[in-house]
Formats: sequence, C-alpha cells, structure tokens
Amino acid sequence: QLQLQESGPGLVKPSETLSLTCTVSGGSISSSSYYWGWIRQPPGKGLEWIGSIYYSGSTYYNPSLKSRVTISVDTSKNQFSLKLSSVTAADTAVYYCARRTITGTQAFDIWGQGTMVTVSS
Amino acid sequence: EIVLTQSPATLSLSPGERATLSCRASQSVSSYLAWYQQKPGQAPRLLIYDASNRATGIPARFSGSGSGTDFTLTISSLEPEDFAVYYCQQRSNWPKTFGQGTKLEIK
Repeated sequence: QLQLQESGPGLVKPSETLSLTCTVSGGSISSSSYYWGWIRQPPGKGLEWIGSIYYSGSTYYNPSLKSRVTISVDTSKNQFSLKLSSVTAADTAVYYCARRTITGTQAFDIWGQGTMVTVSS
Repeated sequence: EIVLTQSPATLSLSPGERATLSCRASQSVSSYLAWYQQKPGQAPRLLIYDASNRATGIPARFSGSGSGTDFTLTISSLEPEDFAVYYCQQRSNWPKTFGQGTKLEIK
C-alpha cells in the first residue's frame, strides 16, 4: 500500500533553511487524484498545515508561512520537498508529509511517520 | 482564516463510557470537517470526513455529526485504545486549519 517517508536534517541553525523530502512508495505521485502536503506539530502543541502541491506543480501555502515556504515536486523520483527559510526556534517541530485526496474523503488520509526538526545553534 | 475551537481541552472518562467531543468553527464550513486521532509518537489517523463519514477501517463506535459551525465526534463506548488526542480540521477555505485538540484521558 502507499507509504510516505520524510527525510532530512534533524538539526538546523537559526536563520538557515530547513529542507525536507517526502518519498512516496507503493504508488505514483503523478496521480491526478491527490494533493501532497506538509503539516507540522511543535512539541506538545497542535497541528499546522504548511502547504500542499499538485503533481503538476501547483502550490498552496499557509499565508502565515508563505513568505518563507517553497514546496516542489520531483515526479521522476516520486518525491516532494519542503524548504523553509530563515528558521527560528519557533520552527522546531515534527514535520509530517501527507496525502490529501481530491475526491472521496478530501482529507489527509495517509501520513508519513514524521521527522523531528530542531532549530538550534 | 477559519478558527476551529475544540472543547473540552481534556476529557476524563472510563472505558465503556460515551465520549462527546466538540468542534466549533469561526464561520460556516458547511459539512467540510474531518476528525483525526493521534496517539503519542504517532502520526494522526483520519477517522471521519465530511462531518459524518467514517474513513476506511474505522470502527462503528466512532460517529460524527454537525454542519455549519458546530460539530461533534462521538465515541459510543470507549475502548482502551481510544484514549488519545483528537483534532478537527476544515477544508472549506484556504488555509486548511486544525483545532487545538481534545485530549481524551483515562479517568
């Protein structure tokens, strides 16, 4: 079945750029039926949607992060990526990638296990 | 941005009891509301979509109701594995937003 796996550095210095990749296995990222998204969760806190991308490259970002976020897709590698620039301690969180269906549930129905990213010098 | 407010923040119940969790939206989201369950150290799991539809594999003891601004997640008879944090999420407007969560703990 479809699985998502986040990867990337667990420690990022303040003011630098956080970069994560989500690898999709067991299915194609190029399906027209899904968006692919990033959601984060600071320690002990709730969930925050960061943004989503369609296989064609169309992107949708949370306005609160839009100036710092770039999400891209590499269909040849079946991956999509997150870049968050100028990070601060407030960006410390578990970062999840997830699939959202365009029809049917139209919810985040498959999630990666999450990867913890700490912003610290 | 649509703000989702969940109540109570913490709910203490015993196995076998009925749980009722609330999610209120700052403006109408029609029926475009989902519920997720999250256990410690795990990713969220989709339970309910479009207010009242159970996702694949979700037991019948979970049910959702509501429309507009007021929604409820009901667990009819709590099993030990149901004690977790529950989040609501709306898809009516961008940005997609989540509630702050309700922790369901064992009394």
